[in-house]
Amino acid sequence: DQQVKQNSPSLSVQEGRISILNCDYTNSMFDYFLWYKKYPAEGPTFLISISSIKDKNEDGRFTVFLNKSAKHLSLHIVPSQPGDSAVYFCAASGKTYKYIFGTGTRLKVLA
Amino acid sequence: EPEVTQTPSHQVTQMGQEVILRCVPISNHLYFYWYRQILGQKVEFLVSFYNNEISEKSEIFDDQFSVERPDGSNFTLKIRSTKLEDSAMYFCASSEESAAVYGYTFGSGTRLTVV
Repeated sequence: DQQVKQNSPSLSVQEGRISILNCDYTNSMFDYFLWYKKYPAEGPTFLISISSIKDKNEDGRFTVFLNKSAKHLSLHIVPSQPGDSAVYFCAASGKTYKYIFGTGTRLKVLA
Repeated sequence: EPEVTQTPSHQVTQMGQEVILRCVPISNHLYFYWYRQILGQKVEFLVSFYNNEISEKSEIFDDQFSVERPDGSNFTLKIRSTKLEDSAMYFCASSEESAAVYGYTFGSGTRLTVV
């Protein structure tokens, strides 16, 4: 039951360039979407959210785009920094706030 | 910055033994959650808890699992009789009502190893 999919297990990007992390979902009832960053041996850290009434949300270097018709969201990090190297999870929920997580994408930002 | 605290950071237990994983959520948060991540797999929802009762649970959260908020500050996950496949990182999380905007705040996890 893969309701939330991150099809790229890993991504490498040069420092200063844009990182684009993608996430697809299958459940049209999902209304809320989150991105988390996770370092080894730590819990996930909340990055940015978006609800289905918006198609874009920006917070500093992080922007999340939502395409409801395609059931697709993406996280853009500009400019990428070596400290951004981590595993990134997208998560989605309906109105109950039970979030379903994707499998994660490991981002490596090369100095 | 307020944080969610989990103890212990690592627990090793014999198969069939009971374990209790402890969490101290952020003090003004009202919703509490347990998630787990088996090594190399995705973060999976176990249970959510609000107003002193379970509000939602996954199919993973069977009769071997229980949660409790014994004293108004701690939030515990008990596994009655551990199995090898219970080995995972267990994350506690808490949220204000508007989890949709701010998400959860996760603790740093307890690594449970069942041998």
